Amino acid sequence: QKEVEQNSGPLSVPEGAIASLNCTYSDRGSQSFFWYRQYSGKSPELIMFIYSNGDKEDGRFTAQLNKASQYVSLLIRDSQPSDSATYLCAVNMDTDKLIFGTGTRLQVFP
Amino acid sequence: KAGVTQTPRYLIKTRGQQVTLSCSPISGHRSVSWYQQTPGQGLQFLFEYFSETQRNKGNFPGRFSGRQFSNSRSEMNVSTLELGDSALYLCASSWKQGRTDTQYFGPGTRLTVL
Repeated sequence: QKEVEQNSGPLSVPEGAIASLNCTYSDRGSQSFFWYRQYSGKSPELIMFIYSNGDKEDGRFTAQLNKASQYVSLLIRDSQPSDSATYLCAVNMDTDKLIFGTGTRLQVFP
Repeated sequence: KAGVTQTPRYLIKTRGQQVTLSCSPISGHRSVSWYQQTPGQGLQFLFEYFSETQRNKGNFPGRFSGRQFSNSRSEMNVSTLELGDSALYLCASSWKQGRTDTQYFGPGTRLTVL
């Protein structure tokens, strides 16, 4: 089992819809969870981080964490074509390593 | 505040050669982490340096090494290059040690091994 798993996609959603990106992780001791966005040919940029169970909202983005079920998700409301990118989930494992998933490619079509 | 910078941006080498990549963190950041990104494996953690000391290391062979200088700038070296080392090498800096702190990525160095 991979330490951090994401569906590679592509996830295709129409403009204005909600995009839901999911990530599961293996280490129950994980404390910190990050979502990065990476445009093609560019480096990852941080969107959000979450440490506690529940929801965390920042503009059109909401991160959701459920430690009991070992998953973290990212919701993007009112999706725009400019949101089309690969979204990387990263988890700070108990070993103090930051482990990345392989990413989910999101396509938002007009 | 200037972001993380990496040099060179592109590099072409042949098998058996060695290469050195450089990373300058955001001013004030003392932690630098290095990652290898390939289409098949995604982002793989190489190592982290904090205050000139390697604090953590990923599962890469000893051909991959690094160091950090007193001004927090970091270099990574890959010796005896193999075709499989072709990848985007990213460095990320953060203010404190450990990856609970937000990491900011540089633009990367694209290494091609022929």
